[in-house]
Amino acid sequence: AQSVAQPEDQVNVAEGNPLTVKCTYSVSGNPYLFWYVQYPNRGLQFLLKYITGDNLVKGSYGFEAEFNKSQTSFHLKKPSALVSDSALYFCAVRDGGNYGGSQGNLIFGKGTKLSVKP
Amino acid sequence: DAGVIQSPRHEVTEMGQEVTLRCKPISGHNSLFWYRQTMMRGLELLIYFNNNVPIDDSGMPEDRFSAKMPNASFSTLKIQPSEPRDSAVYFCASSLKGVGKSNQPQHFGDGTRLSIL
Repeated sequence: AQSVAQPEDQVNVAEGNPLTVKCTYSVSGNPYLFWYVQYPNRGLQFLLKYITGDNLVKGSYGFEAEFNKSQTSFHLKKPSALVSDSALYFCAVRDGGNYGGSQGNLIFGKGTKLSVKP
Repeated sequence: DAGVIQSPRHEVTEMGQEVTLRCKPISGHNSLFWYRQTMMRGLELLIYFNNNVPIDDSGMPEDRFSAKMPNASFSTLKIQPSEPRDSAVYFCASSLKGVGKSNQPQHFGDGTRLSIL
């Protein structure tokens, strides 16, 4: 069964400092990994994805994520946080070996609230 | 480009009433998903369609919930009768799915905030 864990409910960072939002996953096959961001009263917006290839993936708004197969992790990072990055962040995983039926769906983590203070 | 469009954005109604939520997916997308988001349970997948056919409705909480997709550009999620515990934000998402396309991201609408009094 697929699963994804975001161990932190909230991450607090000072503006200008680097940020990391953690995500670990479990799938039976090769993972397809995604990060989404949700601003207040809005739907989830796609940030970046890892499918295959380079373990460091770059996405929107200066975010990047590093795929680590041995640690089954896909942490979201940004070198210098902005106050406008404050939002709810979701990690999601899909089993890359199955795209039909329910196993083809994304499994979302519970979300991590990122708060960036000036 | 128009994204996923949901209506209404807000709905307040009394328990026992029928509620219908609407979704227009992105043109060309062939998969459509209905999610429910609450503080307690986070984001839950209710049902998803592929090429207008319901594939997995195991997340639909009860028989009071039903979803339809009569054509590629429209879907509804209906709750009848509604109960206070159905209060949540309901999201619709769409994506392009098919052979070699399982890595396509889902695109979300801005949701319907439903309050059942």
